[in-house]
Amino acid sequence: SQQGEEDPQALSIQEGENATMNCSYKTSINNLQWYRQNSGRGLVHLILIRSNEREKHSGRLRVTLDTSKKSSSLLITASRAADTASYFCATDADQTGANNLFFGTGTRLTVIP
Amino acid sequence: NAGVTQTPKFRVLKTGQSMTLLCAQDMNHEYMYWYRQDPGMGLRLIHYSVGEGTTAKGEVPDGYNVSRLKKQNFLLGLESAAPSQTSVYFCASSAPGQGKETQYFGPGTRLLVL
Repeated sequence: SQQGEEDPQALSIQEGENATMNCSYKTSINNLQWYRQNSGRGLVHLILIRSNEREKHSGRLRVTLDTSKKSSSLLITASRAADTASYFCATDADQTGANNLFFGTGTRLTVIP
Repeated sequence: NAGVTQTPKFRVLKTGQSMTLLCAQDMNHEYMYWYRQDPGMGLRLIHYSVGEGTTAKGEVPDGYNVSRLKKQNFLLGLESAAPSQTSVYFCASSAPGQGKETQYFGPGTRLLVL
């Protein structure tokens, strides 16, 4: 399976603190994406980083990518209670052009008000 | 603009029964996908389609069939449901081309097979 793994599986922090989640994957990739899933809902795209990029920012999100280590991290700064959700990394290693993604196992983030 | 919608939201089946899950998108996307999500497993790709009339197998296709007769619809069929197919099913869509790799997800269908 090409499915990635995320670490930690669960993370609990106080509001205002930063949250860092890590993702490791197995194959060469075109890009890596992070998605968020609120309980009982579908996934929502957060940010995409391409294989030739090392860092990307979007609002309170910062993503890094190390292709030599086949790993990525997602940092959420100044967390809010509304950030409570599961976060998934997804790798696009598809050579057919179909944008197929392989998802990690997810990190469950709880932000305590 | 509803995005990606899925019907039904929840279904209970008995082993051996059949059913069809419907996914519809109004974003004129070429690509559509069906995933299943099981506890601790993340999402796994069942089947996908890169255009009307075309389908292909994903990571876990066994026990499922799909059809894409119209660009906006992607159907997932279970011919003879098994308890191992108890899961939450998500449909997604995206557009071809660099800069358009984001997938847009539906709200999911929760399926329980007894």
